[in-house]
Amino acid sequence: AAGVIQSPRHLIKEKRETATLKCYPIPRHDTVYWYQQGPGQDPQFLISFYEKMQSDKGSIPDRFSAQQFSDYHSELNMSSLELGDSALYFCASSFGSGNTIYFGEGSWLTVV
Amino acid sequence: RKEVEQDPGPFNVPEGATVAFNCTYSNSASQSFFWYRQDCRKEPKLLMSVYSSGNEDGRFTAQLNRASQYISLLIRDSKLSDSATYLCVVFSGGYQKVTFGIGTKLQVIP
Repeated sequence: AAGVIQSPRHLIKEKRETATLKCYPIPRHDTVYWYQQGPGQDPQFLISFYEKMQSDKGSIPDRFSAQQFSDYHSELNMSSLELGDSALYFCASSFGSGNTIYFGEGSWLTVV
Repeated sequence: RKEVEQDPGPFNVPEGATVAFNCTYSNSASQSFFWYRQDCRKEPKLLMSVYSSGNEDGRFTAQLNRASQYISLLIRDSKLSDSATYLCVVFSGGYQKVTFGIGTKLQVIP
């Protein structure tokens, strides 16, 4: 069965650069979530979208933005990157609210 | 107080042991509950949903206690392959508000 696809899997950027992460949810899933997980930490919720509209916002910095497109894929744009942005970024999707969420394998971002 | 709290451990248990984890949540309006398993540097994967009536899947049993606002996970006959971090996940509040616990690290030793 198709899973959540994230790209790129690994990304190295310099401070102050911009990065874009992409997420392709499981087909027919209408909700996408973005999480940031630093070393040894639990996943921190950044933002979610339902039917292409932002549905909830967590600890997403103002330097970050995200959107969900008409084909339900989502992109997380990160600007003015800082060393502290180095983390594993997960995208997850679900069908509806309160239902099981499925995670992609994550995108490793390293800021140097 | 964090919305979802877990003991981070680590829990070091011998093979064959029974181990239990608890997770407390602060929002009484929380709606859905799950246990996820996360291996090092991998994505979280669903272990099981948690229902009020309790549910069992092989060696794993999950329970929900709404009155005391906690969920539990019991692992019987621990295997080496059970070594991982177990994340408590709670849907509550807004329409898609999902909160993770910090995770409980389990290490099963031979």
